[in-house]
Amino acid sequence: NAGVTQTPKFQVLKTGQSMTLQCAQDMNHNSMYWYRQDPGMGLRLIYYSASEGTTDKGEVPNGYNVSRLNKREFSLRLESAAPSQTSVYFCASNLSDRGSYEQYFGPGTRLTVT
Amino acid sequence: GENVEQHPSTLSVQEGDSAVIKCTYSDSASNYFPWYKQELGKRPQLIIDIRSNVGEKKDQRIAVTLNKTAKHFSLHITETQPEDSAVYFCAASEQYGNNRLAFGKGNQVVVIP
Repeated sequence: NAGVTQTPKFQVLKTGQSMTLQCAQDMNHNSMYWYRQDPGMGLRLIYYSASEGTTDKGEVPNGYNVSRLNKREFSLRLESAAPSQTSVYFCASNLSDRGSYEQYFGPGTRLTVT
Repeated sequence: GENVEQHPSTLSVQEGDSAVIKCTYSDSASNYFPWYKQELGKRPQLIIDIRSNVGEKKDQRIAVTLNKTAKHFSLHITETQPEDSAVYFCAASEQYGNNRLAFGKGNQVVVIP
């Protein structure tokens, strides 16, 4: 099992450009999450998907959109990138059975917006 | 929503000594408390977790204790080794389902050889 995979690993964008970060999991998990990690700020939830077909805003959703394409895949889109979106982005998944909270993280995407 | 705070932000210990990191949480309904370790440039990985019906859990050199009354939980690392140097994040489950976690800002632990 590959677990949680993310593409790309690194990306540099210019202000105003758009891009989509891809995430996939092969653990048959129901819930998926997108976080951003900034120095000294911990992991902040951008969007999550409790199950296929549903998405909800997290703590910092502005400037982002998501798509839960199917049970395996959850993508994050930046429509018009801004320097404030320079960050490391992590995707995570969770089985989401009753009482199951453990989240498994992908390797991350390091995004720089100039 | 849940608010999780970690102290201290940075901790330096001599190799072989113990390290203790404490987290506080705000929502008394939280019932799951994991600790994640993140090495430089890597993804966060779960190292130990505890549920609200348990006061302490151990796994080799690491342990977690939970005080529900005071709403805090702590990570204990004994006989620290250089490979324990990392950032450690605590988290608490959010009350309103969807298996969300609220993370603390992280503690940098440096083990001095």
